[in-house]
Amino acid sequence: GAVVSQHPSRVICKSGTSVKIECRSLDFQATTMFWYRQFPKKSLMLMATSNEGSKATYEQGVEKDKFLINHASLTLSTLTVTSAHPEDSSFYICSARSSRVLAGDEQYFGPGTRLTVT
Amino acid sequence: AQSVTQLDSHVSVSEGTPVLLRCNYSSSYSPSLFWYVQHPNKGLQLLLKYTSAATLVKGINGFEAEFKKSETSFHLTKPSAHMSDAAEYFCVVSYRSGNTGKLIFGQGTTLQVKP
Repeated sequence: GAVVSQHPSRVICKSGTSVKIECRSLDFQATTMFWYRQFPKKSLMLMATSNEGSKATYEQGVEKDKFLINHASLTLSTLTVTSAHPEDSSFYICSARSSRVLAGDEQYFGPGTRLTVT
Repeated sequence: AQSVTQLDSHVSVSEGTPVLLRCNYSSSYSPSLFWYVQHPNKGLQLLLKYTSAATLVKGINGFEAEFKKSETSFHLTKPSAHMSDAAEYFCVVSYRSGNTGKLIFGQGTTLQVKP
């Protein structure tokens, strides 16, 4: 149980284009999903918190107009990198927290999406 | 404020010898603590979690961690390393931001297991 998928696993795009990454909770409902960014040999940095049916909450320093997040259902959140540039190349990871009352703060992580902007 | 520090960026052990990955935390209240493992090109997998129950927490694959409040530590151990344990390990603390529980990741420790 508690499986989170991401699609695509890898994507290469040209500078200036937009890329959408999907995050799905496959066997549970997730009111809250999170988007992280991981640089090579570095830790995970929380970018934003995505709540179903409401606007995402972005961490300080993260451009909300560049990283558009939509959480349209209890099992799907999307991250769109708009007007991508080479410096946006990174490993993007999503996580989901179960909507169950006793679920606590544990998050289930997706396998990540490797974005390369050329 | 919450924070977590992994004291070693890289640990190398021989197969069959014990593993110790060190983690210290800072929290203004009783924290929830986690250890996650990340294998190359794979997603993060939860090894174990501490949520104010037993201070010695047993996880998957023979790993365990002990919560020591007096030392603000949550070190990860395994009696005997296996080659498949080679991976990146993250110590993580949770904190509350409004009504949302968020996670702070340590810097990560790369575990190398030599034959």
